[in-house]
Amino acid sequence: DSGVTQTPKHLITATGQRVTLRCSPRSGDLSVYWYQQSLDQGLQFLIQYYNGEERAKGNILERFSAQQFPDLHSELNLSSLELGDSALYFCASSRLAEPYEQYFGPGTRLTVT
Amino acid sequence: GDSVTQMEGPVTLSEEACLTINCTYTATGYPSLFWYVQYPGEGLQLLLKATKADDKGSNKGFEATYRKETTSFHLEKGSVQVSDSAVYFCALSDSSNTGKLIFGQGTTLQVKP
Repeated sequence: DSGVTQTPKHLITATGQRVTLRCSPRSGDLSVYWYQQSLDQGLQFLIQYYNGEERAKGNILERFSAQQFPDLHSELNLSSLELGDSALYFCASSRLAEPYEQYFGPGTRLTVT
Repeated sequence: GDSVTQMEGPVTLSEEACLTINCTYTATGYPSLFWYVQYPGEGLQLLLKATKADDKGSNKGFEATYRKETTSFHLEKGSVQVSDSAVYFCALSDSSNTGKLIFGQGTTLQVKP
């Protein structure tokens, strides 16, 4: 158990819908990262927050957004969902901004039908 | 940009065989290097890391040495077990120091009794 929790574990929704994925980092970790894992793209970095502020952006679509709250949990919002958004979404956390060690949650499997 | 290339799998070995999974990287700076393991249905777990040239990371019988001259970080284990069956990801910390990890495509290891 990494100490990072993600909810829900599975999500099935229809095209055009909006969903919110939630992540709670390990106790004491200030950085939260979101990654998307798909068969064709592999593991892709989406976005990083550090202590409530956006720190880095990767291949994140404009339909996607995220935030980190004062209690350090983070939410990833995916809107106008398309079939191609079906993937595993992982959250990871680390103590500081630098990624010497990132700890991953179990992931949320999103299926868009 | 920075990138990681792993040998393609799947790799199938008999129990107690030696394992090598090749990983090479391209980076403009001096990244930290990581191996993560993903067991079926689970999130990624940090297996080992190395933060500077010639560092050797080791854990659970696995080893990898940061070779700057060959830009490599090959994963090795002297005697694999059935329980080592998983997907192994090589990763580096992005040289722009934003905190994100760049992953290879992953190598599936299957160990047969």
